[in-house]
Amino acid sequence: GDSVTQMEGPVTLSEEAFLTINCTYTATGYPSLFWYVQYPGEGLQLLLKATKADDKGSNKGFEATYRKETTSFHLEKGSVQVSDSAVYFCALETGGFKTIFGAGTRLFVKA
Amino acid sequence: NAGVTQTPKFQVLKTGQSMTLQCAQDMNHEYMSWYRQDPGMGLRLIHYSVGAGITDQGEVPNGYNVSRSTTEDFPLRLLSAAPSQTSVYFCASSYPRGERNSPLHFGNGTRLTVT
Repeated sequence: GDSVTQMEGPVTLSEEAFLTINCTYTATGYPSLFWYVQYPGEGLQLLLKATKADDKGSNKGFEATYRKETTSFHLEKGSVQVSDSAVYFCALETGGFKTIFGAGTRLFVKA
Repeated sequence: NAGVTQTPKFQVLKTGQSMTLQCAQDMNHEYMSWYRQDPGMGLRLIHYSVGAGITDQGEVPNGYNVSRSTTEDFPLRLLSAAPSQTSVYFCASSYPRGERNSPLHFGNGTRLTVT
């Protein structure tokens, strides 16, 4: 079945460091891919998305490129801030009625 | 600008008790769903609905019931609570799933503890 695998956390970085959170997927068909972010005590909110191969999603300095050949959708940011501390979820949706989530990666950014 | 509203925020139940988690959205979304979030497991789909009067099971439906009598509301019922149902529950809504660009909009969650 469809699945999403994310790198395990927590990831701890200093402010202004480069961030990469790896995400790979297994899916039948051609999924849409998403990154969601969850701040403490809140629900998930959409960070960025990509709907077809080679699309790049971007928002708030975060980027991810839909790579069909490697079935990946890695999240990157050039310079993280303390306010980026949160849990990040990679997810896919194949056009049915179910969104499949990865386990989540917790990011801590130190000042 | 309420979005998706979940109540209560916190709940403690004893084993065998029943309760209903409430979810309401004011965005006229056709699709609504319930997820549970457990450490190391991400979010798992419990039940979903593609419109009023239509519901279906997700990945982990056992022990839960849902109904959808209106577009706005999608309550989740725990029939006889068990400690394994201790979790954080999220309600989410979206436009029809045929629109593949439509992301999920989440409520702030209900933290349930079953003792």
